[in-house]
Amino acid sequence: QKEVEQDPGPLSVPEGAIVSLNCTYSNSAFQYFMWYRQYSRKGPELLMYTYSSGNKEDGRFTAQVDKSSKYISLFIRDSQPSDSATYLCAMWGNTGTASKLTFGTGTRLQVTL
Amino acid sequence: DAGITQSPRHKVTETGTPVTLRCHQTENHRYMYWYRQDPGHGLRLIHYSYGVKDTDKGEVSDGYSVSRSKTEDFLLTLESATSSQTSVYFCAISERGSTDTQYFGPGTRLTVL
Repeated sequence: QKEVEQDPGPLSVPEGAIVSLNCTYSNSAFQYFMWYRQYSRKGPELLMYTYSSGNKEDGRFTAQVDKSSKYISLFIRDSQPSDSATYLCAMWGNTGTASKLTFGTGTRLQVTL
Repeated sequence: DAGITQSPRHKVTETGTPVTLRCHQTENHRYMYWYRQDPGHGLRLIHYSYGVKDTDKGEVSDGYSVSRSKTEDFLLTLESATSSQTSVYFCAISERGSTDTQYFGPGTRLTVL
């Protein structure tokens, strides 16, 4: 079983929709959670960086962490065709096996006109 | 891509030949990383460097070696390429360590025939 699970998609939504992207994880020592966006044939770029449980908002993007359920989400409001990309979650913690950055496999998102 | 270049961007080679990939940064970041990205596996760390001449192995280091003789350059060498090393290779940099924000290069697409 992978430490971080992410549905590969593809997820196809119409422009303007609210998108929900999710990751589950098994290592309870993970404390810091990130979302990266990767356009086709490009390197990943950091979108959001959160610590512990709760929500963090940045423009149209909201990152949510539920440590009790070992579940993190990225919401995109008013989705645009330019949001079409692969979204990778990543996480790490301060102790033991969690003390390395671990990536999910990514969810491919397609926003259609 | 945060002042990171990778060369070559594309390479096709044959099994058994040596291959060297180069990562060059202009950000003067201390830490540099080499990842490979494969479908179903996400990003996996091959090797990383925490200073000039200071390197360490990641989770998939077999068959790879690295060198860092200058702050700005990090080389990844496949001593004898195999078809299982066909992948997209990303270089990344960070200021304070592997769990600090990592900035990724544009990637090198390597095909081993």
